[in-house]
Amino acid sequence: AQSVTQPDIHITVSEGASLELRCNYSYGATPYLFWYVQSPGQGLQLLLKYFSGDTLVQGIKGFEAEFKRSQSSFNLRKPSVHWSDAAEYFCAVGDGGGFKTIFGAGTRLFVKA
Amino acid sequence: NAGVTQTPKFQVLKTGQSMTLQCAQDMNHEYMSWYRQDPGMGLRLIHYSVGAGITDQGEVPNGYNVSRSTTEDFPLRLLSAAPSQTSVYFCASSRGLAGSTDTQYFGPGTRLTVL
Repeated sequence: AQSVTQPDIHITVSEGASLELRCNYSYGATPYLFWYVQSPGQGLQLLLKYFSGDTLVQGIKGFEAEFKRSQSSFNLRKPSVHWSDAAEYFCAVGDGGGFKTIFGAGTRLFVKA
Repeated sequence: NAGVTQTPKFQVLKTGQSMTLQCAQDMNHEYMSWYRQDPGMGLRLIHYSVGAGITDQGEVPNGYNVSRSTTEDFPLRLLSAAPSQTSVYFCASSRGLAGSTDTQYFGPGTRLTVL
């Protein structure tokens, strides 16, 4: 069965520093992979998605993610974090049949001045 | 274009009470789904629908019912609320299947407390 692991429950970075959020998935074929962001009290918003082609995917708000099949990873990166990036981030994988998206437990990002 | 709307934003129930969480979308999306979000567990799929008149169960369907009489609306019914159903509930919609390449659009959520 498909699964998603986000090893870090929370991460704190300084404003202006770089960010990498980890995501590992379990899936037999080429997965559909997503990163969502949830600001406090809000619903989820799609940052980026990967389903084929170039393994480095650009998203909104300056985020990018790299798909590495050999490591079953889809880590999210940003070169310079802004205070407004403080939120919870969810990695997700499509179930292949297309009906369901499996979400990871989330990583909460704190940004310090 | 309002996107996905949910009502109410907050609700407190007593054990055994029933209620319906409302969800509507104005994007003419075929696929709609309900998730619950609990601390440390991410989002878990409750029920989903691939079009009017067609619904199916997700990971955690027990205690919840859904129906889809129109493309726009996808209400979630709690038949007899239990404290274990205390959670934040999100409705989402997408043009096509959620596990494929289509983007899911989420509502703002309903925070439910069952005493």
